[in-house]
Amino acid sequence: NAGVTQTPKFRVLKTGQSMTLLCAQDMNHEYMYWYRQDPGMGLRLIHYSVGEGTTAKGEVPDGYNVSRLKKQNFLLGLESAAPSQTSVYFCASSYPGLAGVASNTDTQYFGPGTRLTVL
Amino acid sequence: QKEVEQDPGPLSVPEGAIVSLNCTYSNSAFQYFMWYRQYSRKGPELLMYTYSSGNKEDGRFTAQVDKSSKYISLFIRDSQPSDSATYLCAMRLGSSNTGKLIFGQGTTLQVKP
Repeated sequence: NAGVTQTPKFRVLKTGQSMTLLCAQDMNHEYMYWYRQDPGMGLRLIHYSVGEGTTAKGEVPDGYNVSRLKKQNFLLGLESAAPSQTSVYFCASSYPGLAGVASNTDTQYFGPGTRLTVL
Repeated sequence: QKEVEQDPGPLSVPEGAIVSLNCTYSNSAFQYFMWYRQYSRKGPELLMYTYSSGNKEDGRFTAQVDKSSKYISLFIRDSQPSDSATYLCAMRLGSSNTGKLIFGQGTTLQVKP
């Protein structure tokens, strides 16, 4: 199993350009997430999905859109990139767990990240 | 005030030292508590996962949860240079049907040989 993969690994954009980040998972997970990680800020949730065809806003959704047309894929789009979107982007996936039980099977598994620079 | 607070460090210790990493939180509804380890330029990976209060041990690592104080800790015994990484605490509501996690800022640890 490849786990969670992200494409591309690196990207440099100019202000105003658009791009799509692709996340794919082969663990049959229901839930998928997009985070951004900035120095001193930890991981901040951008958007998430609890199933195919559903998406919801996270903590910092402005300037981003997402789509989950297939269960295994979660796409993050930047329509008009801004320098403030320079960051490392991580995708994660998880499986719904049983109430009252902590199991490694229901926690989030992360991809390797995409480093995005917006000039 | 952030829901989850974590001292960002950096923390530098000699090899063999006992390391204590901590997080405080404000929401008493958190029931699931995790520690992730993140090596430089890599994605976070799950290290420890506990439900409610108590201790959990796995090799050199011990996770503690004190819900009355809203405080969680990760202890690393006999620290090794390979433990050098950023450690992120994360928490989830007991009633969550989305699996959403709230992360601390992460503590950067360096273990010197």
